Amino acid sequence: DTGVSQDPRHKITKRGQNVTFRCDPISEHNRLYWYRQTLGQGPEFLTYFQNEAQLEKSRLLSDRFSAERPKGSFSTLEIQRTEQGDSAMYLCASSFGGASLTNTEAFFGQGTRLTVV
Amino acid sequence: GNSVTQMEGPVTLSEEAFLTINCTYTATGYPSLFWYVQYPGEGLQLLLKATKADDKGSNKGFEATYRKETTSFHLEKGSVQVSDSAVYFCASSYSGNTPLVFGKGTRLSVIA
Repeated sequence: DTGVSQDPRHKITKRGQNVTFRCDPISEHNRLYWYRQTLGQGPEFLTYFQNEAQLEKSRLLSDRFSAERPKGSFSTLEIQRTEQGDSAMYLCASSFGGASLTNTEAFFGQGTRLTVV
Repeated sequence: GNSVTQMEGPVTLSEEAFLTINCTYTATGYPSLFWYVQYPGEGLQLLLKATKADDKGSNKGFEATYRKETTSFHLEKGSVQVSDSAVYFCASSYSGNTPLVFGKGTRLSVIA
């Protein structure tokens, strides 16, 4: 396994366009997280999945953002009608855990850098 | 909810100097605490962690002790190297089962 991979690594889009990012987690990991990181800040939690179920969404995740993990493997994050304020690094992470299990270490991908012009 | 506050950078040190990066947390209860590192051009990597009070996490010469009385998890290294130049993030998570909450990060530059 090569770790968590994200695609694309960079995306430049015009304001108002829709964009979609993909994350492929480590294969045996059942949990998948999306974070957003802006310059000079730490990663901010957006949402996470356990298998295909979306368990939690941050209030940062406006209705223009939607995430899916249809088969409990890869995940997509879509941003509709992008705004300049959406420009950031979008990070994906995966781990193995559950309600009665201590979560294993979260492994992060290298991120997708979005620039909205 | 829980939150993490870490000292602002950037921090610039000479090689072999002693490093401390302060981190304090606020939480109801006792979260697990982590230090992540981001080297230039790479993704976040777990550096060390501690899951209960008085635990000491250590890795690559770095150490941090979970201090319940001061709600702190300061990162230390006795002798830094140029290769330690990176951004360091303190983070917390309840029982390791909830999403990580990160501090803003501290950029460390080590000069030869």
